[in-house]
Amino acid sequence: AQRVTQPEKLLSVFKGAPVELKCNYSYSGSPELFWYVQYSRQRLQLLLRHISRESIKGFTADLNKGETSFHLKKPFAQEEDSAMYYCALSGLGAGSYQLTFGKGTKLSVIP
Amino acid sequence: ETGVTQSPTHLIKTRGQQVTLRCSSQSGHNTVSWYQQALGQGPQFIFQYYREEENGRGNFPPRFSGLQFPNYSSELNVNALELDDSALYLCASSLPGNEKLFFGSGTQLSVL
Repeated sequence: AQRVTQPEKLLSVFKGAPVELKCNYSYSGSPELFWYVQYSRQRLQLLLRHISRESIKGFTADLNKGETSFHLKKPFAQEEDSAMYYCALSGLGAGSYQLTFGKGTKLSVIP
Repeated sequence: ETGVTQSPTHLIKTRGQQVTLRCSSQSGHNTVSWYQQALGQGPQFIFQYYREEENGRGNFPPRFSGLQFPNYSSELNVNALELDDSALYLCASSLPGNEKLFFGSGTQLSVL
């Protein structure tokens, strides 16, 4: 069974401080990992995916297969980063790409 | 470009009733997925439709069923509603083979 764990329900940081949102996963195969974000009054949207190895809005995430982690990081938090962040895993099966989401971490950036 | 639209936005039903939720996919997207998000939880995969056929299903009972139409819009039907079915139901569309999902705003279902 595949599982995604986000240990922090709420994370508060000061503006300009580094941010790290933790994500650990359990999956027997080779996973595809994602971070989705939901800003206030907006829809859930893709922030980044590990396969792209990209940096979006200053955020990066590295897949660590040894530690089965995919933590989201940003060196300097901005107030506009305040949002709900979900880590998600994709397991391939019969051609479908169903995502397993964690419970989410609410990031609050204090001015 | 039109985004994913869902209707209705809110719905109140009583236990035992049936409900139909609707979703129009983003322009050009022929794959639609449905997710259930209970309060304080992440979205949970219900099923996915591609070319009008179910193409993957999560751990949900058969009373959760769906349809996809030739224009790629989709319906989620839930029979014999239970109190635990109260949740936000999210629809997401995507291109085939592309795991980037575009979500709608959801339908908030309350079962009394």
